[in-house]
Amino acid sequence: GENVEQHPSTLSVQEGDSAVIKCTYSDSASNYFPWYKQELGKGPQLIIDIRSNVGEKKDQRIAVTLNKTAKHFSLHITETQPEDSAVYFCAASTIMEYGNKLVFGAGTILRVKS
Amino acid sequence: EPEVTQTPSHQVTQMGQEVILRCVPISNHLYFYWYRQILGQKVEFLVSFYNNEISEKSEIFDDQFSVERPDGSNFTLKIRSTKLEDSAMYFCATRTVRETQYFGPGTRLLVL
Repeated sequence: GENVEQHPSTLSVQEGDSAVIKCTYSDSASNYFPWYKQELGKGPQLIIDIRSNVGEKKDQRIAVTLNKTAKHFSLHITETQPEDSAVYFCAASTIMEYGNKLVFGAGTILRVKS
Repeated sequence: EPEVTQTPSHQVTQMGQEVILRCVPISNHLYFYWYRQILGQKVEFLVSFYNNEISEKSEIFDDQFSVERPDGSNFTLKIRSTKLEDSAMYFCATRTVRETQYFGPGTRLLVL
């Protein structure tokens, strides 16, 4: 089955700097890659996602890149702010008619120091 | 903005007892999921549910677990005889025909 590895497990950056979180996946059938942000006491919230027919997607300060050949995808946050501090999870899924379970990475604790 | 809601937020139970976790999906969502997160570990898939049937389940989802949508609105996860290792955060997620899954705030289950 699918396995998703995520690095680093913790990341500290200065406010205004960029943060990059990387994930690799094992199943070449995976074709959908969402990123979730989880704040303390809350459920995961989708921040950006990408499908395998696209190499890069950007939404304001957040971008995701996908390299299908190498089976890895990355989250880039620019101009980080203290409110970006949270746990970030990558996930992989194979889009089918009924299933689409998400396989998650282990998470990255991001701390933005002001 | 519509949200997935879950009740209770916390549940403490004795080993061997039955628990029912409840989820209210976003109103036009048709696909439902349960995931769990044991403290310090990955979020793990348990089961997916569509059209009143389980569409996929993981190895974790054994005979002690069941899901149903009894009244067309609530989506429930039942654990018949809880074990210590069932202690975890349980998340419900729902979606439309699009792939994005929306997660609820979770239920923290503690089995003593």
